[in-house]
Amino acid sequence: EPEVTQTPSHQVTQMGQEVILRCVPISNHLYFYWYRQILGQKVEFLVSFYNNEISEKSEIFDDQFSVERPDGSNFTLKIRSTKLEDSAMYFCASRGDREQYFGPGTRLTVT
Amino acid sequence: AQRVTQPEKLLSVFKGAPVELKCNYSYSGSPELFWYVQYSRQRLQLLLRHISRESIKGFTADLNKGETSFHLKKPFAQEEDSAMYYCAPPNRDDKIIFGKGTRLHILP
Repeated sequence: EPEVTQTPSHQVTQMGQEVILRCVPISNHLYFYWYRQILGQKVEFLVSFYNNEISEKSEIFDDQFSVERPDGSNFTLKIRSTKLEDSAMYFCASRGDREQYFGPGTRLTVT
Repeated sequence: AQRVTQPEKLLSVFKGAPVELKCNYSYSGSPELFWYVQYSRQRLQLLLRHISRESIKGFTADLNKGETSFHLKKPFAQEEDSAMYYCAPPNRDDKIIFGKGTRLHILP
């Protein structure tokens, strides 16, 4: 069964550095999402993406965040200048007809 | 506005005992609800959607419009059911708004 994949599984970075989290959605899906989960808290929606543009973004998704689909397979989340409070699990999801399928997540640790 | 609440943060149940994870909704229009599960160190995955009326891993959930509830039930808990469970509204507005979830802990 096809799955959403994410790399890396764990990323450690220093405050102020740029990070790029990568996702490979399921191949025939057209809708893409990023969510995050700060340790001990609920999963929060960040952004949705369709037809090469952002469909919706949350208040969390400020100017420090950006998403891109640079080729036919990858979907990336970039954080320009990381802050300590960006430490979280970041989940990518993709959707075909109805259901969102989630990736295993990338744990981002900002020191 | 659509809203779901899961009143229990943690639910501990003995193996073999019945399980009921509560979810109440506040909706305008006809609700369509899902249950997601996150096992330890695994990805979030869809467990049930109410319109399919199916049973997955022994779990069922019935939409009760009178009580505005969509409780998740299983008659006999198994140790592998230990996980975080999230009741969530559908992909309206093309995003999932997760609640705080309920951690189910199955005691041996």
